[in-house]
Amino acid sequence: DIVMTQSPDSLAVSLGERATINCKSSQSVFYSSDNKNFLAWYQQKPGQPPKLLISWASTRESGVPDRFSGSGSGTDFTLTISSLQAEDVAVYYCQQYYTTSYSFGQGTKLEIK
Amino acid sequence: EGQLVESGGGLVQPGGSLRLSCAASGITFSSYWMHWVRQAPGKGPVWVSRIDDDGKSTNYADSVKGRFSISRDSAKNTLYLQMKSLRVEDTAVYYCVRGGTYAGRAFYIWGQGTTVTVSS
Repeated sequence: DIVMTQSPDSLAVSLGERATINCKSSQSVFYSSDNKNFLAWYQQKPGQPPKLLISWASTRESGVPDRFSGSGSGTDFTLTISSLQAEDVAVYYCQQYYTTSYSFGQGTKLEIK
Repeated sequence: EGQLVESGGGLVQPGGSLRLSCAASGITFSSYWMHWVRQAPGKGPVWVSRIDDDGKSTNYADSVKGRFSISRDSAKNTLYLQMKSLRVEDTAVYYCVRGGTYAGRAFYIWGQGTTVTVSS
């Protein structure tokens, strides 16, 4: 099974500042025949289900603010929030959908400094 | 965009059974792979099971294989999860999730979840 490891486990950032969350997979999630990375990012606020923010490592879902961006390829990925807003306080998860285990990272808790 | 509404959760003793349901609306249910994902208190999400768009192919996490069974009724736009031989470690919020039109796709739409508690 592919193991997804996020860093850091928690992060405190000032309003308006940049937040960066990293995700590393134990094996590549790049599928050469599709030329795509099978990697997603989700946001989960308390008492709510996870919400898909980014798929294919860098494709923002409809309605997701453009301050959210994803990058990376192969085994190393990054979610960046360019200018943190109060409503971005949440736990963020990466997930691979390259294999049937659909494994998630352990989560990164993002707070306001 | 569509909506998924789970039901059927509750308190059950170890060794017991439960059947979860997920009613889909606002989506072409029969076009999508569907999943169940669970999340134990204070933990991250864990994929449990998936079923293809026409219900002919299913897969399970090793932790539930042989105990859980996923199915779907496209006439009723409903997804099911039959859970047997429940264990304390199955305690979690169970989410119904809409995938894509192929297996390797992200989890696009999530229900609000139904809580399963396994305890004596």
